[in-house]
Amino acid sequence: EIVMTQSPATLSVSPGERATLSCRASQSVSSNLAWYQQKPGQAPRLLIYGASTRATGIPGRFSGSGSGTEFTLTISSLQSEDFAVYYCQQYNNWPLTFGGGTKVEIK
Amino acid sequence: EVQLVESGGGLVKPGGSLRLSCAASGFTFSSYSMNWVRQAPGKGLEWVSSISSSSGYIYYADSVKGRFTISRDNAKNSLYLQMNSLRAEDTAVYYCARSVSGSPNFDYWGQGTLVTVSS
Repeated sequence: EIVMTQSPATLSVSPGERATLSCRASQSVSSNLAWYQQKPGQAPRLLIYGASTRATGIPGRFSGSGSGTEFTLTISSLQSEDFAVYYCQQYNNWPLTFGGGTKVEIK
Repeated sequence: EVQLVESGGGLVKPGGSLRLSCAASGFTFSSYSMNWVRQAPGKGLEWVSSISSSSGYIYYADSVKGRFTISRDNAKNSLYLQMNSLRAEDTAVYYCARSVSGSPNFDYWGQGTLVTVSS
């Protein structure tokens, strides 16, 4: 099973600042990596797939990068609606696995 | 508009059974793989099971293998999860999620249904 490790667990950021979230895979997942956003009481929402392709309707301030075992989600200028928990997920191998999440909170 | 609506959750005793359903609309259901993902209270996301568009490929997490069965009815635009021998650790919100065949990331999610396993 591929273990996905996200860091940091919590990120405190001021509105308008840049946020950088990391996700590491225990073995290569090529570019088969997705990012999701989840707000309290809501279902997750797909942000990024293929490591760097934004999903339909996702604002340009969200960008993904990386391949192999190291991945990054960047939110260029945090808006109030971006404070949430973010998960990475690999889909290169079964079983599909998620990272433990990074909570982005208001500083 | 893509819609996924789960139902069938509730309170069940350890060792009991439950069947979840997911009603899909707004897209050609038979062209997509479907999945179940769960989230225990206050915890992260855990993939449970996936089924290909024609049910030819089915996958399970080790934690549910042998106890849960995923199925679909393309004529009814519905996805199911039969859960047997339920344990306390199966307590979670269960989400139905869609994925493109061959690329199992989840582009649309339902709102989830809560399953509580407790005596």
